[in-house]
Amino acid sequence: GDSVTQMEGPVTLSEEAFLTINCTYTATGYPSLFWYVQYPGEGLQLLLKATKADDKGSNKGFEATYRKETTSFHLEKGSVQVSDSAVYFCALKNFGNEKLTFGTGTRLTIIP
Amino acid sequence: GAVVSQHPSWVICKSGTSVKIECRSLDFQATTMFWYRQFPKQSLMLMATSNEGSKATYEQGVEKDKFLINHASLTLSTLTVTSAHPEDSSFYICSAPQKLSSYNEQFFGPGTRLTVL
Repeated sequence: GDSVTQMEGPVTLSEEAFLTINCTYTATGYPSLFWYVQYPGEGLQLLLKATKADDKGSNKGFEATYRKETTSFHLEKGSVQVSDSAVYFCALKNFGNEKLTFGTGTRLTIIP
Repeated sequence: GAVVSQHPSWVICKSGTSVKIECRSLDFQATTMFWYRQFPKQSLMLMATSNEGSKATYEQGVEKDKFLINHASLTLSTLTVTSAHPEDSSFYICSAPQKLSSYNEQFFGPGTRLTVL
């Protein structure tokens, strides 16, 4: 079945540091890939997505590229801010199916 | 973006009682909603797909008699945890897809924390 393996946290960085959160997946077919963010006390929000190989999703300074050859969708940001502190989830969805399969989540804390 | 609400946001109950959690799509209609369970430091596990006008579809290993789902209208789905036990304590999250241009985006509720004493 489908699965998502995500870098374990927690991750603590200083403000303005470079961020990478690794995500790899196993899926049948051609899935769409997502990063969701969960801020304290709030529901999950879509951060970015990519629907086919070599697509790059980007939002709020975050980027992730759909790499079919390595089955990866790593999340990156060049300079993190304290406001980026949250839990980040990598997820996939297969074509024609609304179900999302999530990774375990990575808690990110940015210190000033 | 679209808004999905959940009520209550937290609930504490005694073992053996039943608890109902509501999930509402506030500004769009959803024929399908999803219920997830999130354990501490773990991922969201899909429990079931709620279908308006028909029975819910449960994931393998989820007891349908334990977790009753009713999709009463195009904006409301309810999850009832029957005869709750301490092991049912968890964070329950719902989501609903909304069609946006060429794809469906999932919108998530803020979650309900259930504590069973």
